Amino acid sequence: GDSVTQMEGPVTLSEEAFLTINCTYTATGYPSLFWYVQYPGEGLQLLLKATKADDKGSNKGFEATYRKETTSFHLEKGSVQVSDSAVYFCALTAGQAGTALIFGKGTTLSVSS
Amino acid sequence: DAGVIQSPRHEVTEMGQEVTLRCKPISGHDYLFWYRQTMMRGLELLIYFNNNVPIDDSGMPEDRFSAKMPNASFSTLKIQPSEPRDSAVYFCASSLVSGAYGYTFGSGTRLTVV
Repeated sequence: GDSVTQMEGPVTLSEEAFLTINCTYTATGYPSLFWYVQYPGEGLQLLLKATKADDKGSNKGFEATYRKETTSFHLEKGSVQVSDSAVYFCALTAGQAGTALIFGKGTTLSVSS
Repeated sequence: DAGVIQSPRHEVTEMGQEVTLRCKPISGHDYLFWYRQTMMRGLELLIYFNNNVPIDDSGMPEDRFSAKMPNASFSTLKIQPSEPRDSAVYFCASSLVSGAYGYTFGSGTRLTVV
C-alpha cells in the first residue's frame, strides 16, 4: 500500500544553519504531497504542498520539490530559526477523491541559539 | 472561522470508564477524520467521514471504539470501556473535497487512562 518514509530524528541544528529533512514515498497513481508542522501542544498545521511532479511548494522560507523520478519530497530551509523547532510530518494522498492522508512518523527538529 | 474545535483538551479517566471525545469541523468542509497519535505508532487514521457517512473505519482498533457524525457540524469518538493503552492524543481534522488540498487539524484531546 501507499506509504511515506521520513528520516529519523531528532535533528539538532544551530540557528541559521541549513535544514534538510528527507522524505520518500511509495504510491500508486499520482499522489499529492504535503509537509505538516506540529508545534508543542498543538495540532498539525499545513506547511506546504505540491500536487504534481516538479511542483515546488514553499512557505515561511521552507521549500520542497515533488520529484517523481526519485519518489521524494525533501524539506529544505536555508537558515533555520529557534522558532522552527517542531515536529515535521511528510504526508501523501492518492490522486482519487475520498482517500485519507497517510503520514510519515515525523522528524523532530531542535534549533538552538 | 474558528477552525476545527475539539473538546475536551485534556481528559483523565479510570480504566473501564466510557470516554467521549468531541469535534466540530470547519463549516462547509465535507470530510472529517479522526487520528490517534502516540510516540510508538505515530499518527494513525482511525476513521473518516464524507458528508456525515463513515467511509473507512478500518483503522478503528477494536469494538471498544465507535464514532458517529450525526450532522455536518459535529462528530464524536467514543471509547467504552477505556484501557490504559488507549492513552494518546486524539486529533480531529476536516477538509474540503478530500485530502488533495490538505486538512485543517484541531488542537487535539490528550487522553490519559489510569
